[in-house]
Amino acid sequence: KNQVEQSPQSLIILEGKNCTLQCNYTVSPFSNLRWYKQDTGRGPVSLTIMTFSENTKSNGRYTATLDADTKQSSLHITASQLSDSASYICVVSVLRAGNMLTFGGGTRLMVKP
Amino acid sequence: DTGVSQNPRHKITKRGQNVTFRCDPISEHNRLYWYRQTLGQGPEFLTYFQNEAQLEKSRLLSDRFSAERPKGSFSTLEIQRTEQGDSAMYLCASSPTTDFSGNTIYFGEGSWLTVV
Repeated sequence: KNQVEQSPQSLIILEGKNCTLQCNYTVSPFSNLRWYKQDTGRGPVSLTIMTFSENTKSNGRYTATLDADTKQSSLHITASQLSDSASYICVVSVLRAGNMLTFGGGTRLMVKP
Repeated sequence: DTGVSQNPRHKITKRGQNVTFRCDPISEHNRLYWYRQTLGQGPEFLTYFQNEAQLEKSRLLSDRFSAERPKGSFSTLEIQRTEQGDSAMYLCASSPTTDFSGNTIYFGEGSWLTVV
């Protein structure tokens, strides 16, 4: 069972609309949580990084929230654009050396005109 | 420096052949990671280097897979006797080493492998 679960698996919205993507995790000990955007056939690009003490982090039209108590995070996209069509991957880091990252399966977002 | 560079970007090979991918990390990034990603899935960890030392390998890294980072700079991932199940995108990433949290991990564009 994946320790980082994302929902929904896929989402279609109209251009200009807002949307919220969810991430639940069980990995521990928690270090930080990252959201990445991955265009089809490209490498992931970092959007936000949050430590356990941070509740929210914004990057332009992207706003990530984190509740370390409930082990939940969300990524809110405001005023969506066609270029937002991509996969959004939630990645949780653990406090250990070596491989720190546990990836979610991603949410595939399609923004239609 | 324009980021993590991977080549080739695409490789089609016949089953049983060997393939090698190269990754050039961001300059002075001590940590280098290899991941594998199949369509519709998130990346899966393969192996990790701290400078030239390979510190961790996933069980996904069978004995047909070998990774090196001889001088602590670029890295190669070789797959011997390829199988159709090896078809995937192989992602390289790098990051600074100073601490375990808060450092952005930068990914390359990936190397697509198709085994026919």
